Amino acid sequence: DVKVTQSSRYLVKRTGEKVFLECVQDMDHENMFWYRQDPGLGLRLIYFSYDVKMKEKGDIPEGYSVSREKKERFSLILESASTNQTSMYLCASRSAGGVSNQPQHFGDGTRLSIL
Amino acid sequence: GDSVTQMEGPVTLSEEAFLTINCTYTATGYPSLFWYVQYPGEGLQLLLKATKADDKGSNKGFEATYRKETTSFHLEKGSVQVSDSAVYFCALSEGSARQLTFGSGTQLTVLP
Repeated sequence: DVKVTQSSRYLVKRTGEKVFLECVQDMDHENMFWYRQDPGLGLRLIYFSYDVKMKEKGDIPEGYSVSREKKERFSLILESASTNQTSMYLCASRSAGGVSNQPQHFGDGTRLSIL
Repeated sequence: GDSVTQMEGPVTLSEEAFLTINCTYTATGYPSLFWYVQYPGEGLQLLLKATKADDKGSNKGFEATYRKETTSFHLEKGSVQVSDSAVYFCALSEGSARQLTFGSGTQLTVLP
């Protein structure tokens, strides 16, 4: 089974801090994703990476950056945390293969609170 | 662009009731369709998928049929259990796109 591991289940940080969320997958997947999930808004894509050192903006990249130095690890960075970034953050990975029928596999999420 | 519309929740059912969660989509081509489930406090798990018209995906007693003519992928289960209480997401992926387009999710609560 695919295992996607997010480093923290719960995290509390202060406004203005630089925050790192880490995600590791064990299936040698090329594609990795970061979403945030908010009540009433569903899942929204922040950034994705289709290979090492490659990244693309999703629907809501403002205030975030990402890093993919190794294939198995995809980091989400909040450059200067703000209270409106309080949310559930979900990481996912997917095998490439160039076809649309490969599912994404998700981690358990990090519930981040910015005070 | 692509979009997915799910029925509004929350849905509350008694144990052993029949479940339908409606999902319709808009896409320019021939997408692959997915249902994901999110149990309380957890991430999303793939429940089932279908990759072409008239395909039926099934898993754990849940089924959904890819209906191209009605652009729908409704989720059904004949007899729900308390353990099925969760949020269900319909999603699509099209062509060479790597990302999924999700519906807004439907909260299901099953009462004993």
